[in-house]
Amino acid sequence: QKEVEQDPGPLSVPEGAIVSLNCTYSNSAFQYFMWYRQYSRKGPELLMYTYSSGNKEDGRFTAQVDKSSKYISLFIRDSQPSDSATYLCAMSAPYNQGGKLIFGQGTELSVKP
Amino acid sequence: ETGVTQSPTHLIKTRGQQVTLRCSSQSGHNTVSWYQQALGQGPQFIFQYYREEENGRGNFPPRFSGLQFPNYSSELNVNALELDDSALYLCASSSGQTYGYTFGSGTRLTVV
Repeated sequence: QKEVEQDPGPLSVPEGAIVSLNCTYSNSAFQYFMWYRQYSRKGPELLMYTYSSGNKEDGRFTAQVDKSSKYISLFIRDSQPSDSATYLCAMSAPYNQGGKLIFGQGTELSVKP
Repeated sequence: ETGVTQSPTHLIKTRGQQVTLRCSSQSGHNTVSWYQQALGQGPQFIFQYYREEENGRGNFPPRFSGLQFPNYSSELNVNALELDDSALYLCASSSGQTYGYTFGSGTRLTVV
């Protein structure tokens, strides 16, 4: 079983739709929870990060963490064609486990005009 | 302020050869990590350097090695290339916070 599981999609939605992206994880020691966006032929770009359970909002994006269920989500409101990309969830291992980032497989999102 | 730059952007090598990939960290960042991203997969952690010393390694064989230089730039070396080494290799730098990594655009390596 992978430490981080993410539905690879692809996911196709019409412009203006609300998008929900999700990941589950197995290591309760993970500290930070991040969402990256990766456009084709580019490196991942950090969208948001959270540390504790709860919601964090940034413009059209909301990150949600539920540590009791080991489940994180990213919501995109009023989705735009420019949001079309692969979205990667990532979690940071504690320093005594290497402090590395562990990524999900990525969900490919396409927003149609 | 410059971001993370990687060179070359694309590379084709023959099985059994050796390759060196290069990375310039973002200004002020003293930690650099390397990741391998196979097509359709998330990045996989190779190793990390902090102030020129390796301080973390993923599940990769010893033929994957690296260096970090005093100016915090870095190299990834891969010996005895195998077909499965074909992937996008990403460099990421940070000033120490695990949520603060900035990624480069990567080097696409093809092994034939």
